[in-house]
Amino acid sequence: QVQLQESGPGLLKPSETLSLTCTVSGDSISGTNYYWGWIRQTPGKGLEWIGIIHYSGSTYYNPSLKSRVTISVDTSMNHFSLKVNSLTASDTAMYYCARHDLEIRFWGQGTLVTVSS
Amino acid sequence: QSVLTQPPSASGPPGQRVTISCSGSRSNIGTNTVHWYQQVPGTAPKLLIFSNIKRPSGVPDRISGSKSDTSASLAISGLQSEDEADYYCAAWDDSLNGLVFGGGTKLTVL
Repeated sequence: QVQLQESGPGLLKPSETLSLTCTVSGDSISGTNYYWGWIRQTPGKGLEWIGIIHYSGSTYYNPSLKSRVTISVDTSMNHFSLKVNSLTASDTAMYYCARHDLEIRFWGQGTLVTVSS
Repeated sequence: QSVLTQPPSASGPPGQRVTISCSGSRSNIGTNTVHWYQQVPGTAPKLLIFSNIKRPSGVPDRISGSKSDTSASLAISGLQSEDEADYYCAAWDDSLNGLVFGGGTKLTVL
């Protein structure tokens, strides 16, 4: 069974950079043709797709976030990462990592990130 | 403002059939497959329907999906209290080159 687990700081200040890592077990990031990605959900609101990466390095990003977001992959550690810079309070959200086909079958449990001074 | 449009709420008594609509455009639903997710508050979303109409193993057949042109629908028959959750549609958008979600529909079992 594929499992994903997010890790990273829960509290950051405005203008700082968010760094999250998603560790994958039960599957090899480089052994399959899936994409691996990030989705976030602001408190009480809907889902927002952030972007995805293939182990080859190919990426797709949400145009509204593209200027501030970088997704990278480390196949040796079987994990992938998200960086969001120039944080504001509107980046406060639950961040989920996921395995991405056309649909998303496997999700991490999510990690809450709060941006506050 | 979400790219895909869903009603904010839906409801029905136990045993009834409820449908949730999802409206998009040619660049997303009109061209690509639709998937649906169920999210119980405090948990990660769960895949309910993929490729417009297919159910992952474990999803009961009282849950079904359909698609026509630039719209899709999720139907839940024989409503049960455990169906109370938020429901999201999603599809790849060829113009944005990314995945887009609906704003979500909160389903209440009366």
